[in-house]
Amino acid sequence: SAVISQKPSRDICQRGTSLTIQCQVDSQVTMMFWYRQQPGQSLTLIATANQGSEATYESGFVIDKFPISRPNLTFSTLTVSNMSPEDSSIYLCSVSRGGNTEAFFGQGTRLTVV
Amino acid sequence: GDSVTQMEGPVTLSEEAFLTINCTYTATGYPSLFWYVQYPGEGLQLLLKATKADDKGSNKGFEATYRKETTSFHLEKGSVQVSDSAVYFCALNNNDMRFGAGTRLTVKP
Repeated sequence: SAVISQKPSRDICQRGTSLTIQCQVDSQVTMMFWYRQQPGQSLTLIATANQGSEATYESGFVIDKFPISRPNLTFSTLTVSNMSPEDSSIYLCSVSRGGNTEAFFGQGTRLTVV
Repeated sequence: GDSVTQMEGPVTLSEEAFLTINCTYTATGYPSLFWYVQYPGEGLQLLLKATKADDKGSNKGFEATYRKETTSFHLEKGSVQVSDSAVYFCALNNNDMRFGAGTRLTVKP
């Protein structure tokens, strides 16, 4: 398994500002992902964080709005930029060792934009 | 593309009742199948998994069997507890993780 520390656990932010969420894993992992989960909904993949290169974004998500860094195999950040109330959601970091293996999740960041 | 279809909730049961949450999938090849549980205010936790046909995953009294002939991975528990109240997600990984919509379970004393 993998232990994932995600912070902050929650935040209330003003519209127009940006928030950076950090994800730290206790061991080297191949794959790191960022998901969004809106209230009562399933998970939507935002992007795959690639070590040392630009993230791979899913349809509907762009780098200018959700810049992602992954400087090494155990750490990644997701920034939610120029926030609006529609960005209020839970953001989840996830890791896996690749292939068809299981994914592990951080505890999530509950973001409220006012 | 690959997809997961999960029984819609919410599901409300009395303590010690039998639980079944249906999950079917569409995928090419040989995906791995998973059930995750999400307690209020927390991230997803892996509950059980199965990596090939006829495998049975089990954990904490929950079971699910990988049925390739019916493309199903139904979650079952013989006697639920109040502490099992949570949202349950069926998922598959075929080099690309896919999640079902989630089923909210409430167990009443």
